[in-house]
Amino acid sequence: AQSVTQLDSHVSVSEGTPVLLRCNYSSSYSPSLFWYVQHPNKGLQLLLKYTSAATLVKGINGFEAEFKKSETSFHLTKPSAHMSDAAEYFCVVSEADNAGNMLTFGGGTRLMVKP
Amino acid sequence: DTAVSQTPKYLVTQMGNDKSIKCEQNLGHDTMYWYKQDSKKFLKIMFSYNNKELIINETVPNRFSPKSPDKAHLNLHINSLELGDSAVYFCASSLRGRTSYEQYFGPGTRLTVT
Repeated sequence: AQSVTQLDSHVSVSEGTPVLLRCNYSSSYSPSLFWYVQHPNKGLQLLLKYTSAATLVKGINGFEAEFKKSETSFHLTKPSAHMSDAAEYFCVVSEADNAGNMLTFGGGTRLMVKP
Repeated sequence: DTAVSQTPKYLVTQMGNDKSIKCEQNLGHDTMYWYKQDSKKFLKIMFSYNNKELIINETVPNRFSPKSPDKAHLNLHINSLELGDSAVYFCASSLRGRTSYEQYFGPGTRLTVT
């Protein structure tokens, strides 16, 4: 069985400062990991994904995440926050079984960016 | 050229009514999903169809019945709506076969049951 824990339900940063959103996962197999972003009243957009290639993954809008198997972590970072980054972020693990690709979502982290 | 579309975007209805939400994808994917997002933003899968065949059916009341007329469409019909059904419902699609295949989400349907 797979699970995802996002360690912070809310993160607040000032514009121009670094962003760190933390995610830990558990999975029986070698998982694929994703970060999705949801802006207010919008659908979910894929930020980046890890699929067992490079452990440092670059995504859209300057975000990146590092897969650390020993720590079972997949934290999302960005060097400099922008006001438009304010949104809900979901860490997601995908594991295939006989029923198909199952996505398990973390509880989400709301990122707030102060001017 | 919307990839995954849902209709309607908003749905307000009374308890006991029956309603449907439609989803269409033009990405050529073979697998479609329905997710429910509750008021605390938690997302959970409800159903998954691959080539019109039901492959994932999580613990969802029988009042929810998905239907896939073809692999580009997945509709969700809900009978006897209850207050607890109020949520945002997201449709998604992907290719099946590898866990690395990301899912593409629709804009969501906000259902409010009064």
